[in-house]
Amino acid sequence: KAGVTQTPRYLIKTRGQQVTLSCSPISGHRSVSWYQQTPGQGLQFLFEYFSETQRNKGNFPGRFSGRQFSNSRSEMNVSTLELGDSALYLCASSLARGGGQGTGELFFGEGSRLTVL
Amino acid sequence: KQEVTQIPAALSVPEGENLVLNCSFTDSAIYNLQWFRQDPGKGLTSLLLIQSSQREQTSGRLNASLDKSSGRSTLYIAASQPGDSATYLCAVNPFSGGYNKLIFGAGTRLAVHP
Repeated sequence: KAGVTQTPRYLIKTRGQQVTLSCSPISGHRSVSWYQQTPGQGLQFLFEYFSETQRNKGNFPGRFSGRQFSNSRSEMNVSTLELGDSALYLCASSLARGGGQGTGELFFGEGSRLTVL
Repeated sequence: KQEVTQIPAALSVPEGENLVLNCSFTDSAIYNLQWFRQDPGKGLTSLLLIQSSQREQTSGRLNASLDKSSGRSTLYIAASQPGDSATYLCAVNPFSGGYNKLIFGAGTRLAVHP
C-alpha cells in the first residue's frame, strides 16, 4: 500500500516568487493536513482539508493557501516567498474524519524541502 | 493554550540499554496522543497512537503510556539499537484545535552508540 507522496522533494526559489507543493494521500484517506517544520519553530500546523473543505487553519499569513481535489489530493501554495518560508513542508493523511470519530492516526509523507534565496 | 514539552532534548546511550522518553502536555482535553520518529531530512514515521481512553500501547520493543490526568506520556524503548537513533516526537490532538490539528513537542534526539 503506497504511503503519502509529496512532490517535489526539493526546490529552490527566490524571494517574491510563488511555489506550489503537492500531496497525494494514502488511498482511501480523505483528511489531508499540512505542517511546516523549521529548526526554530519546530512543527507547526498550517491547515487541514476533508472532502475538499478546509476545516481548520493555523496561524499563518494569507500568503499560505491550499486546496483539496475530489480525489483527495491536495496542494498548498505560498505566494510572495520570504526567506523565513524556507522549511520542510510535511503533508499528512488520515482515514478518520478526526476528532472523536475513528482512530485519527496521521501518516506523514517525506516532505518538500523549500529553500528561499 | 495547549503546550507540549519533551524531556530530555537529547539523549546518548550505549546499545542495549532500556530508555524512557518523556512527553508532557498542559491541557488534558485531547482525543489522542501520537508518537513519531523522524530521521534526519526525512518525514515522520508513526510509531504508536494512544486514544484518550487508553492507558498504553505496545509495538515490538516500544511501549507508550498515557496519563491524561497528569498530562504525561512516556515512550519506553527496550534493548536499544543503533538503528533506533533518530528524533522522537510526541504530538497531541486536542479538542480545542479542531480536526486532526496536532500540537507537537520539540522532540528528543536519541543517539544509540555501539
